[in-house]
Amino acid sequence: DTGVSQNPRHKITKRGQNVTFRCDPISEHNRLYWYRQTLGQGPEFLTYFQNEAQLEKSRLLSDRFSAERPKGSFSTLEIQRTEQGDSAMYLCASSLRQGNEQFFGPGTRLTVL
Amino acid sequence: GESVGLHLPTLSVQEGDNSIINCAYSNSASDYFIWYKQESGKGPQFIIDIRSNMDKRQGQRVTVLLNKTVKHLSLQIAATQPGDSAVYFCAERTGANNLFFGTGTRLTVIP
Repeated sequence: DTGVSQNPRHKITKRGQNVTFRCDPISEHNRLYWYRQTLGQGPEFLTYFQNEAQLEKSRLLSDRFSAERPKGSFSTLEIQRTEQGDSAMYLCASSLRQGNEQFFGPGTRLTVL
Repeated sequence: GESVGLHLPTLSVQEGDNSIINCAYSNSASDYFIWYKQESGKGPQFIIDIRSNMDKRQGQRVTVLLNKTVKHLSLQIAATQPGDSAVYFCAERTGANNLFFGTGTRLTVIP
C-alpha cells in the first residue's frame, strides 16, 4: 500500500453514462497525476496538478474528460458520455515535487458496455 | 516524441537466478528514469530510479544501469524470487512532469 487511494476500484457502466473517479494522494504530496492504462500497455499520462492548479493536459484528455483538485488535496476525474474505448484502468499518482518518485494508487478499472 | 520500449515482452527465470530486464529509450534529452513493478490488479510500484548524470544505481537486490550512448536502460534483479513475478515497466521523464512508460516485460519466476 503506497498511501494513495482510489475509489471506486471497479466501475461498470453503460455507454453514454457519466462516471466520476476519486483519488486521495499521500497527504503531504502537492503533485497529483492521472494516467490511463489499457491491457498489456504501460500507463499513459493524462494530466497533472500542482496543488489545485491543473498545469498540464495530454492530448489524450478529450473534451469529455475533466479533472479537478479543488482544495489541493483529493482529485476527481469525470468522463462524460462514456464510450467503449474509455474502458481502461485509471491510475492516480502523487509526488512531493518534480524529481521525486511518483507513488501510484491501485487504480479504478472502468468497463463500458 | 518520446518513445520507451522493451526488448523482450516476456522473461522466464529459475528461482535463485539473476534476471535482467532491458529497456530502450529514444529521447536523449530524458533526464530521469524509473523502474516500476506491477502485479496483477495493482498499481505500479516503485523499484528504483536513476538520473541521467549517473550510470549505475543499486538498491536492495536490484541494480539499474544506464547507458546514455546507446540510450539503453536495464534492471538487474539478483537471486530472483517467486514474489518478483510481475510486469516491469521502465519510464522516462524529459524535463516535463509526466512519465512516459514502455509496454512492459512480464517476468515469470519458475520455482
